[in-house]
Amino acid sequence: SQQGEEDPQALSIQEGENATMNCSYKTSINNLQWYRQNSGRGLVHLILIRSNEREKHSGRLRVTLDTSKKSSSLLITASRAADTASYFCATVLWRNSGYSTLTFGKGTMLLVSP
Amino acid sequence: DAGVIQSPRHEVTEMGQEVTLRCKPISGHNSLFWYRQTMMRGLELLIYFNNNVPIDDSGMPEDRFSAKMPNASFSTLKIQPSEPRDSAVYFCASSTYRGNTEAFFGQGTRLTVV
Repeated sequence: SQQGEEDPQALSIQEGENATMNCSYKTSINNLQWYRQNSGRGLVHLILIRSNEREKHSGRLRVTLDTSKKSSSLLITASRAADTASYFCATVLWRNSGYSTLTFGKGTMLLVSP
Repeated sequence: DAGVIQSPRHEVTEMGQEVTLRCKPISGHNSLFWYRQTMMRGLELLIYFNNNVPIDDSGMPEDRFSAKMPNASFSTLKIQPSEPRDSAVYFCASSTYRGNTEAFFGQGTRLTVV
């Protein structure tokens, strides 16, 4: 089934550094979304980028999408200890039924040390 | 709005028992998703409802699992009989517009089957 695969599986950095996470997927998509999950909590939506967009910003977040390579990246600038969480990409694919579903990758665990 | 509300937050049950997980989506959202999260398999989509109608249940693992959405404000996921391999965190999420926009997740139900 359609699924994003994040890379790396785990990332450890110092506060103030930038964190980059990558996502690859297999087939054409309608849009791609990034979510964050703090330990023991539900997922929180961060940003959505449509298939006709190449880059999007939201605060300290920058997302790029390369549909020719079927890949996306999430950049968190000037990271903080509070950014420690797991980050997931989710692909949205329209189905013949006229509906779409979110399919998640396995995530990148980010640890930001003070 | 209080967000997506799931109950119970934690459930411990013995193998063979029936388990019912509950979800109240955000008012006005017409798409509802049930996901299961494990370390091994990540986030798996179990079933997707749109306007209270099941659209895609291909992710439901087997006949022991069933889901209902009797009205726009309530959904249940039932496992009968439960098995230890069903132990996981189960998330409910809701969204608007046929699932093509951001999804809002509940806090999850951590199920342990002993």
